[in-house]
Amino acid sequence: GENVEQHPSTLSVQEGDSAVIKCTYSDSASNYFPWYKQELGKRPQLIIDIRSNVGEKKDQRIAVTLNKTAKHFSLHITETQPEDSAVYFCAASNPDSGYALNFGKGTSLLVTP
Amino acid sequence: DGGITQSPKYLFRKEGQNVTLSCEQNLNHDAMYWYRQDPGQGLRLIYYSQIVNDFQKGDIAEGYSVSREKKESFPLTVTSAQKNPTAFYLCASSMTNNEQFFGPGTRLTVL
Repeated sequence: GENVEQHPSTLSVQEGDSAVIKCTYSDSASNYFPWYKQELGKRPQLIIDIRSNVGEKKDQRIAVTLNKTAKHFSLHITETQPEDSAVYFCAASNPDSGYALNFGKGTSLLVTP
Repeated sequence: DGGITQSPKYLFRKEGQNVTLSCEQNLNHDAMYWYRQDPGQGLRLIYYSQIVNDFQKGDIAEGYSVSREKKESFPLTVTSAQKNPTAFYLCASSMTNNEQFFGPGTRLTVL
């Protein structure tokens, strides 16, 4: 089955700096890659997603890049703010498993003022 | 956010007891999913259903059972065969291969 690896597990940045989180996946059949933000005790919320026919997508301060050949994708957050502090999860969706999501183990991001 | 609900928010289970977690959606989504989240871990897939009256096992289905009798509902039963059920359970729904919307979750604790 699909295996998604995510790094780093924790990340601390100063307010205004950029943050980058990287993920790799193993199954070339995976074709949809969402990123979720989860605050403590809350449900995951989608922040951005990308499909396998696109290399990059941007939404204001958030961008995602995808390298299908290398099977890795990354989340970039620019001009970080304290409210960006949360756990971020990458995931990969595979048609062979009903498009269920295979998640990375998460990155705990702390943005200090 | 809205449109998918889970109940109860907190649930306590005694040893040897079966408990059922509710998940309902009014988003007219075909697919529904159950995930389990443990501290420091990502979400792991328990079961999924792409259509009414059909469901498939995920990576950690042992000790769990589901039903999908209605499009709107996908209840999860945690049986006594699940030896370590204490976790945060999240239900999600989606149109096929699109954004999954998550419910608020049920926190299950074994007494």
